[in-house]
Amino acid sequence: GESVGLHLPTLSVQEGDNSIINCAYSNSASDYFIWYKQESGKGPQFIIDIRSNMDKRQGQRVTVLLNKTVKHLSLQIAATQPGDSAVYFCAEKGGSYIPTFGRGTSLIVHP
Amino acid sequence: DSGVTQTPKHLITATGQRVTLRCSPRSGDLSVYWYQQSLDQGLQFLIQYYNGEERAKGNILERFSAQQFPDLHSELNLSSLELGDSALYFCASSVDPQEGYTFGSGTRLTVV
Repeated sequence: GESVGLHLPTLSVQEGDNSIINCAYSNSASDYFIWYKQESGKGPQFIIDIRSNMDKRQGQRVTVLLNKTVKHLSLQIAATQPGDSAVYFCAEKGGSYIPTFGRGTSLIVHP
Repeated sequence: DSGVTQTPKHLITATGQRVTLRCSPRSGDLSVYWYQQSLDQGLQFLIQYYNGEERAKGNILERFSAQQFPDLHSELNLSSLELGDSALYFCASSVDPQEGYTFGSGTRLTVV
C-alpha cells in the first residue's frame, strides 16, 4: 500500500485494547473539529466531529474529547480491531471554514 | 465508495509537462476542495470552489490552477511539473462549508 507519512507518531496496540490518539490544535478561534481515518491507498474518511460548545461526543466505538483550555483533542477507540489500523488526522476549523489538518498519527493494531 | 470520484488514479509524467486531474463531487455537493498530500507535508489545502466560483485559496503554486464547471465537476491543472510535485492529490466535497467533507480516493502523481 501507499505510505502517507514516514515520520508520523505511531501508536501500537493489541487487538481488543482501547486506543487513545491525541491532537494539539493551534487556533483558539477554531470552533469545529473533525477526526479522519486514512487507510493505505485511500482518501481520508470522516469518523466523528465535535463543535466547541461540547467537550465530549460519542459514536460507534469512538469517542472524541475536546479540552479547549489546553487546545487538545483526543480520539478514543474502544476494543481496537486490526481494521482500525490506519493514519488518523485531526482537523480544526475556524471562521475560514477551511479545515487545517494535523500531520496524523499512525495506529498499528497487532492481532 | 465515498461518492467523490477522482480520475485518473495514477499518473506518471516527466518534468516540465502539464497534467489535468479531474474530480466529480458527491451528488448535491456544491463545494469542491483540492488538497495535496506529500510524505513530508501532510495534507495541504490548495483551493476551494463553491458552485463554480473560487471561494478560498491555500498554498497553491502559480503553476497550478483549478476550475469548477457548471455541472460541478472540477479540474486541477498542474503545469511545468517538477519532481517535488509528486504527491497524492485529493479532492473533497461538501454540501455545507461549515460541515466536514467527503474525500475521494485521490490521484497519485509521479513526476520523473
